Amino acid sequence: GAVVSQHPSRVICKSGTSVKIECRSLDFQATTMFWYRQFPKQSLMLMATSNEGSKATYEQGVEKDKFLINHASLTLSTLTVTSAHPEDSSFYICSARDHQVTYEQYFGPGTRLTVT
Amino acid sequence: GESVGLHLPTLSVQEGDNSIINCAYSNSASDYFIWYKQESGKGPQFIIDIRSNMDKRQGQRVTVLLNKTVKHLSLQIAATQPGDSAVYFCAEKGGRRALTFGSGTRLQVQP
Repeated sequence: GAVVSQHPSRVICKSGTSVKIECRSLDFQATTMFWYRQFPKQSLMLMATSNEGSKATYEQGVEKDKFLINHASLTLSTLTVTSAHPEDSSFYICSARDHQVTYEQYFGPGTRLTVT
Repeated sequence: GESVGLHLPTLSVQEGDNSIINCAYSNSASDYFIWYKQESGKGPQFIIDIRSNMDKRQGQRVTVLLNKTVKHLSLQIAATQPGDSAVYFCAEKGGRRALTFGSGTRLQVQP
């Protein structure tokens, strides 16, 4: 089956620093990748949709200058949390869609970000 | 805005019993629905899906029912096991939109 990986699985950073999270589709090409954020005991909330080779589309309330998304290839998308603050601490989950199968959306294992 | 919601935040069942988790959705344009299982610290795990042209779909020990008239989705788990303990989310989408998730139900299976 389709596999999506994320790196790192956990990261701790100091307030004010930036951290990059990678999302890779391992055995399929993903023209579209999605980034979700999940706070404790809450649901997954879509942050942005990333299309290969073009700018990401951000959901309302998500700061595009704070959450930089790059989708430079069909197998890699990155999310950079800039000038991180403790309130950015969350579980970040990426998802990739196989461009040949409209409905299928595969999820990564998530990245736990803790900002101290 | 459009949302997908759940009736019960926590469901506690005895091992061996059947579990039913419910979900209401509000976007009438949604045509694809999925149930996910999420264990602590992990990403969502696909359980079963259903398209809007169906009202029932069965998998191994799981059944999804879709009632488009009242915009209701349910997940039935037969002979619930301790390993089924997790948070369950319904998700919906229409066309090429991203999946939208419901608020989740925690299933606790008592041995």
